Amino acid sequence: NAGVMQNPRHLVRRRGQEARLRCSPMKGHSHVYWYRQLPEEGLKFMVYLQKENIIDESGMPKERFSAEFPKEGPSILRIQQVVRGDSAAYFCASSPGGFHSGNTIYFGEGSWLTVV
Amino acid sequence: EDQVTQSPEALRLQEGESSSLNCSYTVSGLRGLFWYRQDPGKGPEFLFTLYSAGEEKEKERLKATLTKKESFLHITAPKPEDSATYLCAFSASGGSYIPTFGRGTSLIVHP
Repeated sequence: NAGVMQNPRHLVRRRGQEARLRCSPMKGHSHVYWYRQLPEEGLKFMVYLQKENIIDESGMPKERFSAEFPKEGPSILRIQQVVRGDSAAYFCASSPGGFHSGNTIYFGEGSWLTVV
Repeated sequence: EDQVTQSPEALRLQEGESSSLNCSYTVSGLRGLFWYRQDPGKGPEFLFTLYSAGEEKEKERLKATLTKKESFLHITAPKPEDSATYLCAFSASGGSYIPTFGRGTSLIVHP
């Protein structure tokens, strides 16, 4: 897990507020992936990004969720108007190249969102 | 539909009692099969990547093997510090290659 930095580690939001989760990939990695892990469930893919591009967002809910990976700075996963069902662990992973090139992805320690 | 199933869901072993975890997958074309270890409150830690049937990889007390339909994670003489959830994932050769994860096997090794 060393190298992929996520913050905050823990975040509490009231229903209707916004949550912003940040991810800095490992040094030398230019591809970022976001996964969500609900209690008693597996890791579910949300979105795959390169710098300034969304490559695949097929796992992202259509409403309230957005992600970006700007030219400078960390990747951001943004959840607007949070609901209790958004409570989960959100993991970021990175790879040096696109996954299609066979590169393994490496995960951060996760951000635990609790909606009250 | 491509999918991955891990068994058993939970496994309790005595220290030194070797066993295997199973990962069965259904995919039209396998790009890669991955094993991760996840401790409570932590992110998944990469263990192995396997690419083709017959391939094996080892790391300390762990050995991963791959056939055309399943992968095994063999744990030899486990220690309490091997207690964790072990996650299997695959990447399909068609589509966007995004890794799809199983629900994991929760392993507890008693001293």
